[in-house]
Amino acid sequence: EAQVTQNPRYLITVTGKKLTVTCSQNMNHEYMSWYRQDPGLGLRQIYYSMNVEVTDKGDVPEGYKVSRKEKRNFPLILESPSPNQTSLYFCASSLSGGSGNTIYFGEGSWLTVV
Amino acid sequence: GENVEQHPSTLSVQEGDSAVIKCTYSDSASNYFPWYKQELGKRPQLIIDIRSNVGEKKDQRIAVTLNKTAKHFSLHITETQPEDSAVYFCAASSYNYGQNFVFGPGTRLSVLP
Repeated sequence: EAQVTQNPRYLITVTGKKLTVTCSQNMNHEYMSWYRQDPGLGLRQIYYSMNVEVTDKGDVPEGYKVSRKEKRNFPLILESPSPNQTSLYFCASSLSGGSGNTIYFGEGSWLTVV
Repeated sequence: GENVEQHPSTLSVQEGDSAVIKCTYSDSASNYFPWYKQELGKRPQLIIDIRSNVGEKKDQRIAVTLNKTAKHFSLHITETQPEDSAVYFCAASSYNYGQNFVFGPGTRLSVLP
């Protein structure tokens, strides 16, 4: 079954404690992206990747890091989480960016930083 | 970069009526425009999309129209039902920006019984 898998789905952590949210897709997609969703603010892009070893900043990259060492995985790293990073996070992938290719979203990761 | 605006931010309609959501984009090189539906607590899911070489596309009760000259595209839902209540997002993708996707801020649609 084609899917985008995120882990953890729910996490409560403390300020400053490094954490990683993993994202994996099994569709051999080139394009992957991270979004955060806050009430009333829609989907804001954090980082995206067009292919292995190619990453780019989205609209709200501050406080986040990503890596794309292999095609299937695109982890989101919060080196020193702060309460303003409390949000719902979605990972997404597509065969390639745009060009009429559907974006598939993971189920989301609810992150609370206290 | 590409900028996508979406209106209205909230929309309430009576069951059976039509709903229209409009998006505008800034980059004339944008060539792909999908619409996503997000139900409460769930992930966004594609409901319909359109490419720049097409002016209109329809799938049962939903349709999307594209006006490239004016740089706007619209989602039309006819005969609305309570299960259509959700947040709807439009998006645009331009090869000027590596075909990255840019989403609009979303429209919360409520279908009243």
